[in-house]
Amino acid sequence: ELKVEQNPLFLSMQEGKNYTIYCNYSTTSDRLYWYRQDPGKSLESLFVLLSNGAVKQEGRLMASLDTKARLSTLHITAAVHDLSATYFCAAEAIQGAQKLVFGQGTRLTINP
Amino acid sequence: KAGVTQTPRYLIKTRGQQVTLSCSPISGHRSVSWYQQTPGQGLQFLFEYFSETQRNKGNFPGRFSGRQFSNSRSEMNVSTLELGDSALYLCASSLQGSEKLFFGSGTQLSVL
Repeated sequence: ELKVEQNPLFLSMQEGKNYTIYCNYSTTSDRLYWYRQDPGKSLESLFVLLSNGAVKQEGRLMASLDTKARLSTLHITAAVHDLSATYFCAAEAIQGAQKLVFGQGTRLTINP
Repeated sequence: KAGVTQTPRYLIKTRGQQVTLSCSPISGHRSVSWYQQTPGQGLQFLFEYFSETQRNKGNFPGRFSGRQFSNSRSEMNVSTLELGDSALYLCASSLQGSEKLFFGSGTQLSVL
């Protein structure tokens, strides 16, 4: 059974600093997703990582995937307050299906 | 292009009642999946529908059911509500499944 674990679960950081959120998954998965959720809001898709070594960047966020290590990372560069949110990673439980297994989420707070 | 629409936004029910939630996917999307989000269990997959057929199901009791109509709209039903069913229910759609998912704003269900 696929399990997805994120760490840290809570992260408080200052503006301008860099940090990384880690996402480990327990069994082979073809796709890895990153989502953002603001309080009281729905999930916003950030990245879909499809293959080993995939790296995607959008603004101050960069995601990567190492399928051999079963590890994905979300790196935040020079954090700004607007990035405060909860970030989820999710792995595909069944190839070709929408059945995603989510991590617990990382609540990120960026302080001025 | 309209996003994924879920109705109602909020719902209050009492134990033992049943409830029906509705989801209209993005136009042209044929795959609809449902997720339950609670503070304790996080985001959990309920089921996925594609072309009116249930393609995958999560580990939820039979009280949770769903269906998809020919226009790809989907409903989920929960019978004999329990306090533990209080959650945010999220619907997501994609073109054929297994790509970027677009989530709706969710239905917040409170069971008293």
